[in-house]
Amino acid sequence: DARVTQTPRDKVTEMGQEVTMRCQPILGHNTVFWYRQTMMQGLELLAYFRNRAPLDDSGMPKDRFSAEMPDATLATLKIQPSEPRDSAVYFCASGLPPGQDYEQYFGPGTRLTVT
Amino acid sequence: QKEVEQNSGPLSVPEGAIASLNCTYSDRGSQSFFWYRQYSGKSPELIMFIYSNGDKEDGRFTAQLNKASQYVSLLIRDSQPSDSATYLCAVRVGGSNYKLTFGKGTLLTVNP
Repeated sequence: DARVTQTPRDKVTEMGQEVTMRCQPILGHNTVFWYRQTMMQGLELLAYFRNRAPLDDSGMPKDRFSAEMPDATLATLKIQPSEPRDSAVYFCASGLPPGQDYEQYFGPGTRLTVT
Repeated sequence: QKEVEQNSGPLSVPEGAIASLNCTYSDRGSQSFFWYRQYSGKSPELIMFIYSNGDKEDGRFTAQLNKASQYVSLLIRDSQPSDSATYLCAVRVGGSNYKLTFGKGTLLTVNP
């Protein structure tokens, strides 16, 4: 049963601390997406990768956020320093290139609380 | 300006009724349209996608697309309490663009 995995599932941290979220995409998927979901803004795209290369990170606050894919099985999203306004659920999704059956498969999410 | 708009709801329907969920989008170049369902505390999961004008049916679900009006809808027939969730509309511009733009979602409650 192929699925996207994310760790940690929940993270509570204090303002100013570094937060690292990890994602393992479905084997064989070459596109990876990072989303943030809040009640106010809904689901927002932060960044996405194709074949490990960043294609678009325009949705990400670059002064504190960074996203990388050190290898095909791992994507990371880091926040340094974290702020209370970063509190949200962060989803990773993976997929194949757009085609007739294009779909993004979402991981379970990381619920981040910054106090 | 939000690119994909949905009525936030909540939309409440009795069990067995038809639920109608609506979505409008601003980019006329949009080519692919998706409906995701998200249960509370869970991640979004794809229900249906539609590319061509008209209707597309899958079981109790029907997606309707009108590109001239920049409007896409999802009908759920014989609504069940298990359909209670937030429904997210997503749009892809097309070509080699991988990006999906999501609406904020409509909360649907099906009452037994």
